[in-house]
Amino acid sequence: QQQVKQSPQSLIVQKGGIPIINCAYENTAFDYFPWYQQFPGKGPALLIAIRPDVSEKKEGRFTISFNKSAKQFSLHIMDSQPGDSATYFCAATHSGGGADGLTFGKGTHLIIQP
Amino acid sequence: DADVTQTPRNRITKTGKRIMLECSQTKGHDRMYWYRQDPGLGLRLIYYSFDVKDINKGEISDGYSVSRQAQAKFSLSLESAIPNQTALYFCATSDQGRGYTFGSGTRLTVV
Repeated sequence: QQQVKQSPQSLIVQKGGIPIINCAYENTAFDYFPWYQQFPGKGPALLIAIRPDVSEKKEGRFTISFNKSAKQFSLHIMDSQPGDSATYFCAATHSGGGADGLTFGKGTHLIIQP
Repeated sequence: DADVTQTPRNRITKTGKRIMLECSQTKGHDRMYWYRQDPGLGLRLIYYSFDVKDINKGEISDGYSVSRQAQAKFSLSLESAIPNQTALYFCATSDQGRGYTFGSGTRLTVV
């Protein structure tokens, strides 16, 4: 059972466009939703994260939108640049005493064309 | 120095061999994790540890074992490697379920 579904699998956007990556989760106990960016040969690096008590969070050009009732969240990259080309993973977990690790989506391979 | 260090970075081994992947951290985090990454499948949890005396199976623990030698060290073993264990392996840490930090990964090839 896949608890976090991510789409699309791959995405090509022109420089300056706004790629949007979507995720949906099933476990209502999840209360922490991070996005990770991974470049080839590197480990995933935390990009931005949100908790369900807010509907949107911005950090620089990256924005997470969160819809608790729909159990969905998405990543938007404003003014995308070729350097943003990477694989992006959404994840979810329930933080706190019983936390048992992040559950990841399958990833989105993003290419920003010059 | 990296906060989470994995050794080796790359390894080729033969089917049936025992192999150990090592992870050490300087974050001071209590929790450590081993993930496996396969193309198109994302990262899947193999084992996790809340402290030295607490080891837990993850989603795909069959064929793997772990040892938490100290708060800062967490190793993953493949007792008898098989080709479908060829993958990229990541160690991660967290501070009571927050602030996950990943190592740079170990690329393992079983031939």
